[in-house]
Amino acid sequence: DAGVIQSPRHEVTEMGQEVTLRCKPISGHDYLFWYRQTMMRGLELLIYFNNNVPIDDSGMPEDRFSAKMPNASFSTLKIQPSEPRDSAVYFCASRLQGADSGKNIQYFGAGTRLSVL
Amino acid sequence: SQQGEEDPQALSIQEGENATMNCSYKTSINNLQWYRQNSGRGLVHLILIRSNEREKHSGRLRVTLDTSKKSSSLLITASRAADTASYFCATDARHSNYQLIWGAGTKLIIKP
Repeated sequence: DAGVIQSPRHEVTEMGQEVTLRCKPISGHDYLFWYRQTMMRGLELLIYFNNNVPIDDSGMPEDRFSAKMPNASFSTLKIQPSEPRDSAVYFCASRLQGADSGKNIQYFGAGTRLSVL
Repeated sequence: SQQGEEDPQALSIQEGENATMNCSYKTSINNLQWYRQNSGRGLVHLILIRSNEREKHSGRLRVTLDTSKKSSSLLITASRAADTASYFCATDARHSNYQLIWGAGTKLIIKP
């Protein structure tokens, strides 16, 4: 398996533009997580899905952020309009649910480094 | 809010020395995990220790867990330059619906 795939790896945009980040989880994984990482705030959970359904979006900072998971193999995180304070590295991670807690391991993509000018 | 807190925030040692990082957490857990993040990369799972375990080994890694003190430590023996990375602990807290709660990380630098 190729692992969690995120695109693009880098995104530079101007304030006010729409940004769409993409994620392909590991096949067969039924949980998908979107995180944001900054020096100031560390790793923050934005939203997570189970079987394509959003379970907890309490970490989404504002209405400018939205996430979708139309099928088991694809998710998007959209920021509209983008602002300079959205500059961060955004990670997608997936996980296989299991009664055995040993399966609660998250697999991360390489991240998208977003710069909003 | 983050449950795990690592210390030290940064650690710089000579190659070949042992590196020890600590993690404290607040609530009851199912397990505790350690992840590594190389510069510009995603996090990679290193090792998981369950709440009923006290110590676990994987290669040059040794993890201990003290649930009475709500703390864990990660020991990397015979460090190598390639171990330079940030290390994060993450707790799988009970009643968390399997979310992981992340610490702020320890930045480890191995000097050749």
